[in-house]
Amino acid sequence: GEDVEQSLFLSVREGDSSVINCTYTDSSSTYLYWYKQEPGAGLQLLTYIFSNMDMKQDQRLTVLLNKKDKHLSLRIADTQTGDSAIYFCAESPSYNTDKLIFGTGTRLQVFP
Amino acid sequence: DSGVTQTPKHLITATGQRVTLRCSPRSGDLSVYWYQQSLDQGLQFLIQYYNGEERAKGNILERFSAQQFPDLHSELNLSSLELGDSALYFCASSVDRGKTDTQYFGPGTRLTVL
Repeated sequence: GEDVEQSLFLSVREGDSSVINCTYTDSSSTYLYWYKQEPGAGLQLLTYIFSNMDMKQDQRLTVLLNKKDKHLSLRIADTQTGDSAIYFCAESPSYNTDKLIFGTGTRLQVFP
Repeated sequence: DSGVTQTPKHLITATGQRVTLRCSPRSGDLSVYWYQQSLDQGLQFLIQYYNGEERAKGNILERFSAQQFPDLHSELNLSSLELGDSALYFCASSVDRGKTDTQYFGPGTRLTVL
């Protein structure tokens, strides 16, 4: 199937780290992505990782990829209230690299 | 701002009607993608166009159609609308350099069918 799974909610205190997890379906996916959607807004590409990498760091964001378990995670260091949003992981499946299959989204709530 | 524009921002219409959603890709991008985001289905890929031609099809209903024009803007046509078509419709674009491509999303058009 094409179910990319994420937990629905995550609540963290401001200043702490957030870790959002995702399990994808196609072990041959070439690229895996993280998008952010703020209330009433479109999708913003945060970062992506190529399938031959285990980790990618971009300022406060760290992406970890475990290909064996088909597990992707996004760590946000020093989480701020402005990080409150819905985070989607997405995979670009090998059978159609132009298509994106999205997860269900994780709603991150940051409290003071 | 991703550089992808979509109009209108909001659209309210009645069942049985037909609407057209418009998308202008980022300057230089050749590929346009359409997605539907609804509460029950989540975010679903509908269709992709590359340089005017249909390239890939996803979960797009027969009542829906799309096209990409010579200036590379795209339109998504939704006809015989049903209540369940109420959703946020996103357009995305990419340069289309192959596997290194990433998609950039527009702000979406919120369609409400009454």
